[in-house]
Amino acid sequence: GQSLEQPSEVTAVEGAIVQINCTYQTSGFYGLSWYQQHDGGAPTFLSYNGLDGLEETGRFSSFLSRSDSYGYLLLQELQMKDSASYFCAVKSGANNLFFGTGTRLTVIP
Amino acid sequence: DAEITQSPRHKITETGRQVTLACHQTWNHNNMFWYRQDLGHGLRLIHYSYGVQDTNKGEVSDGYSVSRSNTEDLPLTLESAASSQTSVYFCASSGTKGPQETQYFGPGTRLLVL
Repeated sequence: GQSLEQPSEVTAVEGAIVQINCTYQTSGFYGLSWYQQHDGGAPTFLSYNGLDGLEETGRFSSFLSRSDSYGYLLLQELQMKDSASYFCAVKSGANNLFFGTGTRLTVIP
Repeated sequence: DAEITQSPRHKITETGRQVTLACHQTWNHNNMFWYRQDLGHGLRLIHYSYGVQDTNKGEVSDGYSVSRSNTEDLPLTLESAASSQTSVYFCASSGTKGPQETQYFGPGTRLLVL
């Protein structure tokens, strides 16, 4: 089977940095993705890590350690519009994406 | 611009009725997916298709069916709606089955089964 663990809620201050962690258990691991979803909206793709290390896309970065079955999403210079839910998802041997239950990020002034 | 649309956006139905949710994409993607989203469960895969005439069961397929007669559409049918199927349903599509797969999601359908 597959399982993903991420915190259910995180609160951070505008302008600060926040890290959202994700640990996974799966067979045939191919990569870790992150999706963002605003309230009432659709999930949208943020980033993908297939190899160990850090991937940077503007204010967002994502990290993967395959040996630790662990990854994180790093959001810098937080803005109010970053308040949303963030989902990690693994691509496994079944060739489908398996999503975590999501982390609700609240950015406060 | 390419897009993926769902209809209806909101639906109220009664227990036991058959309901069909539409999904249409203009990305020309081979892969299409249906998910349901419930509090505490994230996104759970219902059915998916890798091309015309191909359909596969996902994690929570009981009570649902799909058919793929063309590239653009993957309708989801609830054979006999149950209150447990009250949820938000998302359709998604992708152009690759490779490791770095990006899925593009539709706006969702909110279904209430009374």
